[in-house]
Amino acid sequence: DGGITQSPKYLFRKEGQNVTLSCEQNLNHDAMYWYRQDPGQGLRLIYYSQIVNDFQKGDIAEGYSVSREKKESFPLTVTSAQKNPTAFYLCASSRDSFQETQYFGPGTRLLVL
Amino acid sequence: GEDVEQSLFLSVREGDSSVINCTYTDSSSTYLYWYKQEPGAGLQLLTYIFSNMDMKQDQRLTVLLNKKDKHLSLRIADTQTGDSAIYFCASSSPGAAGNKLTFGGGTRVLVKP
Repeated sequence: DGGITQSPKYLFRKEGQNVTLSCEQNLNHDAMYWYRQDPGQGLRLIYYSQIVNDFQKGDIAEGYSVSREKKESFPLTVTSAQKNPTAFYLCASSRDSFQETQYFGPGTRLLVL
Repeated sequence: GEDVEQSLFLSVREGDSSVINCTYTDSSSTYLYWYKQEPGAGLQLLTYIFSNMDMKQDQRLTVLLNKKDKHLSLRIADTQTGDSAIYFCASSSPGAAGNKLTFGGGTRVLVKP
């Protein structure tokens, strides 16, 4: 089956800890995206990557970092600098960054202990 | 910056039609999307419309676009209990680094039997 997978489904973070959220796609898409969703709000763009080994900051990149070493993988690290990390994180991909349709993974819910 | 607005909540009886409305500010929007999100899940692409169209029909879904007023609507005919979800409108705008999606805050649709 082609699609986007995210893991884990739930993640708990302790104070001062960095955590990494996984996103994998087997759609052969060039572009990948990370969004944050807070209750009752729309999605806000954290980072995006148009191609392997390249990524750009989105609207709310502070306290987050990403890498894009492989086409199919775009992991997101929530660092200790992110003071309010509790949210639902959604990964998406599109054929390229100029082909608008983005397809989403099932999401990871991050909770702070 | 770009803004996309939606009403927060819609209640509808099973079998009736639902109409979800959305307004956007960016006149350079190229595509407009409707996504559906069920509880605890990612976003599912429902349909989209290109900005030079004024209507698109896909089975029970009808999208109407008034580009002059920057108003988009999604009509769901014969609404079913499985249509209960949050519906997000999103606009796509061209930029130097590809297209960027701007999401509305979502409309929660509750279908009553």
